[in-house]
Amino acid sequence: DVKVTQSSRYLVKRTGEKVFLECVQDMDHENMFWYRQDPGLGLRLIYFSYDVKMKEKGDIPEGYSVSREKKERFSLILESASTNQTSMYLCASSGLTGVNSPLHFGNGTRLTVT
Amino acid sequence: QKEVEQDPGPLSVPEGAIVSLNCTYSNSAFQYFMWYRQYSRKGPELLMYTYSSGNKEDGRFTAQVDKSSKYISLFIRDSQPSDSATYLCARYMDTGRRALTFGSGTRLQVQP
Repeated sequence: DVKVTQSSRYLVKRTGEKVFLECVQDMDHENMFWYRQDPGLGLRLIYFSYDVKMKEKGDIPEGYSVSREKKERFSLILESASTNQTSMYLCASSGLTGVNSPLHFGNGTRLTVT
Repeated sequence: QKEVEQDPGPLSVPEGAIVSLNCTYSNSAFQYFMWYRQYSRKGPELLMYTYSSGNKEDGRFTAQVDKSSKYISLFIRDSQPSDSATYLCARYMDTGRRALTFGSGTRLQVQP
């Protein structure tokens, strides 16, 4: 089974802090994704990566950056955390390109910015 | 208008009922749809996928796409308390993009 592991289940940070959310997958998947999930808004794509050192903006990239130095690891960075970034963050990976590649999700990191 | 619209619920049904969960989409350019199920405090997991129009069945679950009305549905027969979860519809927006666009999810509660 694919395993996508997010390093923290819960995280509390202060406004203005730099925050790192880490995600590791163990199935040699090419594609990795960061979504945030908010009530009433569903999952919204922040960034994704289809190869090491490659990244593409999703629908809501403002205030975020990402890093993919190794194939199995994809990091989401909040350069200066703000209260409107309080959310559930979900990492996902997929192995193939195109439509035959379901996303496999981690269990999420609930981030609170105070 | 969001690309994928979904009624958030919650939807509460008695055990054994037939459940119908629905999504509408606005862009007809590409039609590959997925249903994900998300239990509380867990990440979403793929339940079913379907391409273009028609029905696809898997056990108690049936996914249906109606291209003419831009409507996708998930039917659950003989619903069980273990089906209580949030159900998310999703679609690929085009052949090149590898990321899914999700609806907001419908929370389902099956009462024993």
